[in-house]
Amino acid sequence: DAGVIQSPRHEVTEMGQEVTLRCKPISGHNSLFWYRQTMMRGLELLIYFNNNVPIDDSGMPEDRFSAKMPNASFSTLKIQPSEPRDSAVYFCASRPDRAAEAFFGQGTRLTVV
Amino acid sequence: AQSVAQPEDQVNVAEGNPLTVKCTYSVSGNPYLFWYVQYPNRGLQFLLKYITGDNLVKGSYGFEAEFNKSQTSFHLKKPSALVSDSALYFCAVRATGFQKLVFGTGTRLLVSP
Repeated sequence: DAGVIQSPRHEVTEMGQEVTLRCKPISGHNSLFWYRQTMMRGLELLIYFNNNVPIDDSGMPEDRFSAKMPNASFSTLKIQPSEPRDSAVYFCASRPDRAAEAFFGQGTRLTVV
Repeated sequence: AQSVAQPEDQVNVAEGNPLTVKCTYSVSGNPYLFWYVQYPNRGLQFLLKYITGDNLVKGSYGFEAEFNKSQTSFHLKKPSALVSDSALYFCAVRATGFQKLVFGTGTRLLVSP
């Protein structure tokens, strides 16, 4: 298995533009997580899905952020409009069952200028 | 609410010496505990976990961790450190029956030759 696949690996965009981050979880995993990592806040859980259904989105910072999981093999995190303070590394992770560890993707480094 | 504390921002150790990276947690009920490692510009890699059973858990690359319920701790240890162990280490906790995985702020381990 190729692991959790995130794209793009790097994204540079101008303030006000829409940004879409993509994630393909490991096949057979039923939970998917989006995290954001910054020097100031460390690793923050933004949202997680179970069986494609959003369970907890309390970590989503504002209405500018939205996430979808239309099927078991794909998820997106969208920021519209983007702001410089959104600059961070965004990680997607998936997990096969309740007791197991989560597997992380390589992350998307987002820079908003 | 569940939380994790990693009291040390950085741990310095000489190669060949034992290392300990500290972690304490707060959670309602029984915890699921995890350690992850992050190398520069990479995602998080799973090291080990405690779900139930033996309090001493052995993981990847010679690492181990001891679950101490009375002290609510889950310290990461290795008998003999390698320079290649230098990385950022994260402790994480999840409450039984819940899916949300909460991470600590991370501890940077520097192993000197």
